[in-house]
Amino acid sequence: DAKTTQPTSMDCAEGRAANLPCNHSTISGNEYVYWYRQIHSQGPQYIIHGLKNNETNEMASLIITEDRKSSTLILPHATLRDTAVYYCIVNPGGYNKLIFGAGTRLAVHP
Amino acid sequence: SQTIHQWPATLVQPVGSPLSLECTVEGTSNPNLYWYRQAAGRGLQLLFYSVGIGQISSEVPQNLSASRPQDRQFILSSKKLLLSDSGFYLCAWSPRQSTEAFFGQGTRLTVV
Repeated sequence: DAKTTQPTSMDCAEGRAANLPCNHSTISGNEYVYWYRQIHSQGPQYIIHGLKNNETNEMASLIITEDRKSSTLILPHATLRDTAVYYCIVNPGGYNKLIFGAGTRLAVHP
Repeated sequence: SQTIHQWPATLVQPVGSPLSLECTVEGTSNPNLYWYRQAAGRGLQLLFYSVGIGQISSEVPQNLSASRPQDRQFILSSKKLLLSDSGFYLCAWSPRQSTEAFFGQGTRLTVV
């Protein structure tokens, strides 16, 4: 399995964009990048995933570098409710096992 | 739409007692099913996952077992609980051939 590296923690001011980086330098051609988040005392929530193209949905945008060795999750206008641990996961398409790393603890401040 | 049910929300059990946590999924068929545990202040640990009835993969040797008696039912069990089994247990499902998973509300287990 490809491994990911994320900063342990980050801060963001409310209303500003939160940019969460993820390094996955050993990613293989058939592996997708998935992002989840876990708000305190809740189960993880799927956010977005992508293969090579940038992706956007109602929650966030995912920017994947051209060499696919890193990606950035962007929350365009962070709110206090976005305070959570954010997990970047790399998995092959069709892979059944979902392993979480340590993630990035994002704190959004007023 | 698909929903996942997990119960109970909280549970306090004495050391040495048995455990049975149940998870059911509605609105889909042939899902992948997962059990995770999160100890206080720690990360999510994958305990078991299943790709079909009777097919269970164990990720970590421990005091727990899992069973999938029906397509959309996943059960986590223990014959004798240890103090170290305390934690937040989460059930999840994903469509076959996908890692887009959906989690239940979790069971907070305290072994005393």
